[in-house]
Amino acid sequence: QVQLVESGGGVVQPGGSLRLSCAASGFTFSSYGMHWVRQAPGKGLEWVAFIRYDGSNKYYADSVKGRFTISRDNSKNTLYLQMNSLRAEDTAVYYCAKDNRMVQGVIGDDAFDIWGQGTMVTVSS
Amino acid sequence: EIVLTQSPATLSLSPGERATLSCRASQSVSSYLAWYQQKPGQAPRLLIYDASNRATGIPARFSGSGSGTDFTLTISSLEPEDFAVYYCQQRSNWPPGYTFGQGTKLEIK
Repeated sequence: QVQLVESGGGVVQPGGSLRLSCAASGFTFSSYGMHWVRQAPGKGLEWVAFIRYDGSNKYYADSVKGRFTISRDNSKNTLYLQMNSLRAEDTAVYYCAKDNRMVQGVIGDDAFDIWGQGTMVTVSS
Repeated sequence: EIVLTQSPATLSLSPGERATLSCRASQSVSSYLAWYQQKPGQAPRLLIYDASNRATGIPARFSGSGSGTDFTLTISSLEPEDFAVYYCQQRSNWPPGYTFGQGTKLEIK
């Protein structure tokens, strides 16, 4: 079945780094834009980053621009999020999510139909 | 940045009643609006895309409407499993990005 499985979360000190992974299965990964979305404890959803199906376009929320990098390896059906210079306010559950439809434009589809179970990132000293 | 404002923050209803949730955008988002349902400890689930299209497997009691700046998610007759938090979300072409509303908690009265 269509599935996304995140890994790589954990506890890190402020200023530290972490790399999240998202393993995709059950669909043609290389045909879909992918996203990272996060949710701080007890808070709402915040979109973090997008990468086009072929990796040619990447966009970020202002809150993470210059610190986070989204990437993908279509040969491994895996999405990544490299997080540097982490701050306490980055503490959240991080979800990877798939574009609802295959889109050829520079930005992704307007909805995300498949989500992973999430991985918790805690930034604390 | 486009801001989405959801109302009410909390909606208290009984099973069998009709639920009407609102999402207002600070500027036009055309029909690039989606709705999600999230239950505690779970990932969000896509309900509606393009403002009014039900996602795969979503029951017909869920419907979406609106365009431009005002959107509505309607649940025609609440089932016990519908009590959850609902988020709207929009896509912006420029600057490229996405934003979510702050959520509406639908609770049992």
